[in-house]
Amino acid sequence: DVKVTQSSRYLVKRTGEKVFLECVQDMDHENMFWYRQDPGLGLRLIYFSYDVKMKEKGDIPEGYSVSREKKERFSLILESASTNQTSMYLCASSLRANEQFFGPGTRLTVL
Amino acid sequence: AQSVTQPDIHITVSEGASLELRCNYSYGATPYLFWYVQSPGQGLQLLLKYFSGDTLVQGIKGFEAEFKRSQSSFNLRKPSVHWSDAAEYFCAVGIGYGNKLVFGAGTILRVKS
Repeated sequence: DVKVTQSSRYLVKRTGEKVFLECVQDMDHENMFWYRQDPGLGLRLIYFSYDVKMKEKGDIPEGYSVSREKKERFSLILESASTNQTSMYLCASSLRANEQFFGPGTRLTVL
Repeated sequence: AQSVTQPDIHITVSEGASLELRCNYSYGATPYLFWYVQSPGQGLQLLLKYFSGDTLVQGIKGFEAEFKRSQSSFNLRKPSVHWSDAAEYFCAVGIGYGNKLVFGAGTILRVKS
C-alpha cells in the first residue's frame, strides 16, 4: 500500500515563526502536492512538484514556499506564520496522471 | 476556470436508505473525475475514479458513480447506507500536467439509525 506520512498531526506555533511541514511518500511517486483544507472551501492547492527540485504554484501560494530535494520528501514552509494560516494541511502524492494518495493531515494553529 | 460544485453541504439519510451525492464540474476537456471520503480526523481515501470508458464506475465500500457528459455531472450513489458511511465526501476533477485536483467544497453525510 502507498503510504504518505506527515511529520506532525497537530502543531501550535506563534505569529511570525517559521514553520516547516514535512511529507514523505514511500512509493517512488513523481508528483507531490500540498493542500490546505478549510470548512466550506474544500481543499485548495498551495504548491505541487512533479520532479525533484521542480515546483509550481497552485491556487493559493501566497505566504508559502516549498522544497523538494529528494523524490520522497516534499516540505511546505511558512516563512512567517500568520493567524490566517491556521488550517488543516494535507499532503498527497501520485504516479504520473493517476489518483492522489493523501497523508493524514497536519492541523496547524497559529496563535 | 475549472470548478467543481457540490450543491449539498449536509445530507442526512436513514441507515439502510439509498444515497445520492451530487457533483457538477466545469472543465473544457474530458475530465478525470474522483470521489474521495474523509472520516473525522483522517486524510482522504479514494472511493472511485473515472478516466475513460464505461460511464458507470464501481468503487470501494459499495459505492458507484455515473459520469454524464451532457450534464457535466458525476454523482455518487450507494443503494443502502451503513452508519459507518457517515463522513465528508469530496468530488474532484483532475486537470493539466500532473493531474492537479480541483475539489468541491464537500458534502457532510449524517446517518441516522
